[in-house]
Amino acid sequence: DIQMTQSPSSLSASVGDRVTITCRASQSISRNLNWYQQQPGKAPSLLIYGASILQSGVPSRFSGSGSGTDFTLTINSLQPEDFATYYCQQSYSSIMYTFGQGTKLEIK
Amino acid sequence: QITLKESGPTLVKPTQTLTLTCAFSGFSHSTNAVAVGWIRQPPGKALEWLAHIYGNDDKYYSTSLKSRLTITKDTSQNQVVLTLANVDPVDTGTYYCAHLQSSKYYTYDYWGQGTLVTVSS
Repeated sequence: DIQMTQSPSSLSASVGDRVTITCRASQSISRNLNWYQQQPGKAPSLLIYGASILQSGVPSRFSGSGSGTDFTLTINSLQPEDFATYYCQQSYSSIMYTFGQGTKLEIK
Repeated sequence: QITLKESGPTLVKPTQTLTLTCAFSGFSHSTNAVAVGWIRQPPGKALEWLAHIYGNDDKYYSTSLKSRLTITKDTSQNQVVLTLANVDPVDTGTYYCAHLQSSKYYTYDYWGQGTLVTVSS
């Protein structure tokens, strides 16, 4: 099975900051990497797919990059509504679509 | 507009079988380009992918739970059912169903609100 490792597991930042979250796959997954945002008590929502393609309706301050095994999610100019938990997910292996362990973004 | 909604018991006893239903609308589940999946989340923990089923009835399961999971679809009713056998308290959590779109990339682009299941005697 492909393992997904996110770092950091938690992160404190201020409104207006730029933050980066990383996700590493245990083997190459090409660009088959999705990012989701989850607000407390809510279902996850899709932010980015194909490593760097912004889902419709997602603000342009979110961006993704990477391919192979190493990926990043960057949020520019943090807004209050961005404080949430973020998950990466690989969709390379049709056998099992693994999620990372999550990164909780908190207000400093 | 695509919507999904999970339903099932809120409390299940250990060793019993959990049956959850995902009722959806806004898309056809009769092609191999679309799947419906299940993902769960123990309280305060990470998301865990469980299974998904395509319109052509292809099914994929988490390797760690494969022996206990069954996913089926009822295209006429626009429903997907997930069963988890021999439940344990560690199976407690929120269970989500989601629409998997499979064009160039496979993504869960629409999610249900989730249903909380507690396993306890």
